[in-house]
Formats: sequence, C-alpha cells, structure tokens
Amino acid sequence: AQSVTQLDSQVPVFEEAPVELRCNYSSSVSVYLFWYVQYPNQGLQLLLKYLSGSTLVKGINGFEAEFNKSQTSFHLRKPSVHISDTAEYFCAVSPRVMYSGGGADGLTFGKGTHLIIQP
Amino acid sequence: KAGVTQTPRYLIKTRGQQVTLSCSPISGHRSVSWYQQTPGQGLQFLFEYFSETQRNKGNFPGRFSGRQFSNSRSEMNVSTLELGDSALYLCASRQSGAGDTQYFGPGTRLTVL
Repeated sequence: AQSVTQLDSQVPVFEEAPVELRCNYSSSVSVYLFWYVQYPNQGLQLLLKYLSGSTLVKGINGFEAEFNKSQTSFHLRKPSVHISDTAEYFCAVSPRVMYSGGGADGLTFGKGTHLIIQP
Repeated sequence: KAGVTQTPRYLIKTRGQQVTLSCSPISGHRSVSWYQQTPGQGLQFLFEYFSETQRNKGNFPGRFSGRQFSNSRSEMNVSTLELGDSALYLCASRQSGAGDTQYFGPGTRLTVL
C-alpha cells in the first residue's frame, strides 16, 4: 500500500516570489511520482512526473520537482510565481509494477496544497 | 486531439436512487480510471478498466460499479445513493502502462439530497 503526505494544506506566497510545495510518500513497493494541478471547477492537469533517470524533473508552467529516494520526498518548486498559479496542487504516486494482486493500483493522492498568490 | 469528456457535468439525485455517469477517453487510450473527490476524503481511486475488463479496484462498497465498452468509453454506476456519495467524480484515461500519464476529464458533480 502507498500513502502520500502533503505537509502544508495552504501556502500563501507573494507574486514573483519562489515557492516550494512539500510532498512525502510511503510505499512498500517502488513507485512513479506525479504532481497534478487543479484549477477551480476543472479536472486535474499533469504538471510533471518522475519515472526514472535524473532526479530533477522539469514540468510545465516553469515548475520543477526533485525526487529524493532516501527522504522519500518529491517537493515541487517554482522560482517565481504568478497570480495565475493560484490553484490546488496534488502529489500522487502509483506502483511501478501493477496488477500484483495486492490491492488497488490506481493513483494515490495527497490531500492537496492550496497555493494562494498574493499581489 | 479531443480531451477526456464526461457527461453530465452536474447531477442532483435523492437518497435511494441510482445514477450512471459516462466518460469518453482520449482517442487511442485503452485504460479508463474513476476517482471520487470529496472535501473530507480527498481524491480516492474507485476502479480502472482496460480492454473492457476491470483490472483494479479501490476500497469502495459494491454499490459502486462500472463497465467499459469496446470503443473504450466507460460508465460508472452508483446504486442506492447515500448522502455521503455527494462528490466530484473524475474520469481519467491513459494509453495502458503504469507510467503513462493519466489525463483527467472535468468531472461530474453529483449532489445527493
């Protein structure tokens, strides 16, 4: 089974300031890692994902994340935020080897972090 | 390419009724997953269908069921609705594999009165 903890439910940041949204996970199996964004009244959109290779992953809209296996973390960063980045951000994991019979193999999400950009 | 579409977008039902939600995946995607989103429980995996077969199921009661058609379109059914079933139901499609990106639809907002 997997679990995802997003340490901050809400993060207020001034426009053009840097931001980091924290994500830690726990899993008994090897996982893929994802960050999704949800704007009001919309579905989820993928920002970036880590499958393998370089632990620094670049995504859309200037976001990047770093996978740290020893700390089981996958924190999301942006060097300079814009008012349009106001949204809910979700960290998620899924098992690398699916359908092992051990249970659900869909995405396991964190509770989300509401990013609030202040002018 | 057209994105994932879900119908209807909004639905109001009363306790005890049943409801069917529909999802059309991105063309070429064979996997369709369903998620429930509520303020209290967050996003939870319901089930996944691939080539008309359910290949994964989350921890939900048997009142929640689904199916997938030969054109990959999927439906989700909830019988004997309870107040706690009020939620945003999201459908996601991907090509097939675990590392493939899941593309989400806009969701169906179900309100149970």
